[in-house]
Amino acid sequence: QVQLEESGGGVVQPGRSLRLSCAASGFTFSSYGMHWVRQAPGKGLEWVAVISYDGSNKYYADSVKGRFTISRDNSKNTLYLQMNSLRAEDTAVYFCAKEETMDAFDIWGQGTMVTVSS
Amino acid sequence: QSVLTQPPSVSAAPGQKVTISCSGSSSNIGNNYVSWYQQLPGTAPKLLIYDNNKRPSGIPDRFSGSKSGTSATLGITGLQTGDEADYYCGTWDSSLSAVLFGGGTKLTVL
Repeated sequence: QVQLEESGGGVVQPGRSLRLSCAASGFTFSSYGMHWVRQAPGKGLEWVAVISYDGSNKYYADSVKGRFTISRDNSKNTLYLQMNSLRAEDTAVYFCAKEETMDAFDIWGQGTMVTVSS
Repeated sequence: QSVLTQPPSVSAAPGQKVTISCSGSSSNIGNNYVSWYQQLPGTAPKLLIYDNNKRPSGIPDRFSGSKSGTSATLGITGLQTGDEADYYCGTWDSSLSAVLFGGGTKLTVL
């Protein structure tokens, strides 16, 4: 069964850090680009970052560039999102997603909630 | 405000047809493929259409996609109450080197 499962969310103070993980199963993880997408409460989808199948290429949304880092460990079938200097506006459900093509995501995790609050 | 523009809401009666538009520019929709997602309340998005008009396995042919110039359209025929959801378009923006999503459209089946 093709599956993505996020973990690592929680409540964190502004300026602090958090690392999200996304465990993949049921497909050849090392063959696909992977993305993080977030959704603030009551708001629409916002793309966060992408990493190529081998980790050699990474792109970020302007809103997180310089603060967030996407990475992957193909030996562990796991995707990561290191989030530093967190702000209140980073509060959202964070989804990891497998790409079918560069801009089409066919498999999504259930999401993990990140709340940035003092 | 999203770079890709969608109507905030659309509505139609059961059994009818509805279309949802997504407007962009030459750096995104005009030169890249468009995908569409359905998000039911409290769930993760689900891919409905990719590469402008292709349906993943398991998506019924009631859902269709098209693209013309810098705009794309999602069509849903034979509306069912279970189709009530938020719908998002998405594409790559070559100038921004980023994936863009539309602001989302809430479909109400009256």
